Amino acid sequence: AQKVTQAQTEISVVEKEDVTLDCVYETRDTTYYLFWYKQPPSGELVFLIRRNSFDEQNEISGRYSWNFQKSTSSFNFTITASQVVDSAVYFCALGAAGNKLTFGGGTRVLVKP
Amino acid sequence: ETGVTQTPRHLVMGMTNKKSLKCEQHLGHNAMYWYKQSAKKPLELMFVYNFKEQTENNSVPSRFSPECPNSSHLFLHLHTLQPEDSALYLCASSRLAGARPGADTQYFGPGTRLTVL
Repeated sequence: AQKVTQAQTEISVVEKEDVTLDCVYETRDTTYYLFWYKQPPSGELVFLIRRNSFDEQNEISGRYSWNFQKSTSSFNFTITASQVVDSAVYFCALGAAGNKLTFGGGTRVLVKP
Repeated sequence: ETGVTQTPRHLVMGMTNKKSLKCEQHLGHNAMYWYKQSAKKPLELMFVYNFKEQTENNSVPSRFSPECPNSSHLFLHLHTLQPEDSALYLCASSRLAGARPGADTQYFGPGTRLTVL
């Protein structure tokens, strides 16, 4: 069975602080994909990144960076120099056969000015 | 329009009403999904359609009836709902990855906020 755990339900930071969101997953598949989505107050889930299980290189995209560690089954996400517009709920998800996504419970990020 | 659109954005209905949610994707994808997001539970997958054929029904009550007339349109027909069905209903689409299970990137619409009185 697939499982994704986001232990942090809510994180509150002041603008310009860095914030790291934790994601731990469970799967028996040898090939799998991991995703991060952002859900702003408007409701739409916005795709941020997809990584496959064979590529453990960390990735940076602007102020966003991702740290994938297969040994600990973690795929953490860091926002550097946070801004008020980063306030949203962030979801980690695991892609499985049957084109199904298993989502974590989400982490609400509140960035205060 | 681009991406995935959903109408209506907000819907209030009584328990005896019949209504439908509509989803349209403009991405040329061949798979479409319905999800339910309520305050008390994480995102729940409801239905999956691949090439217009239903491939997943996640034990959804029969008061929710999906319809996928083509790869670009997806409907969710609602009847005799309960107050606990109040939630955000999200539609998504993806291009099937074929031989790479789990690789599909799903793109979501803005959702329909449903309130059942």
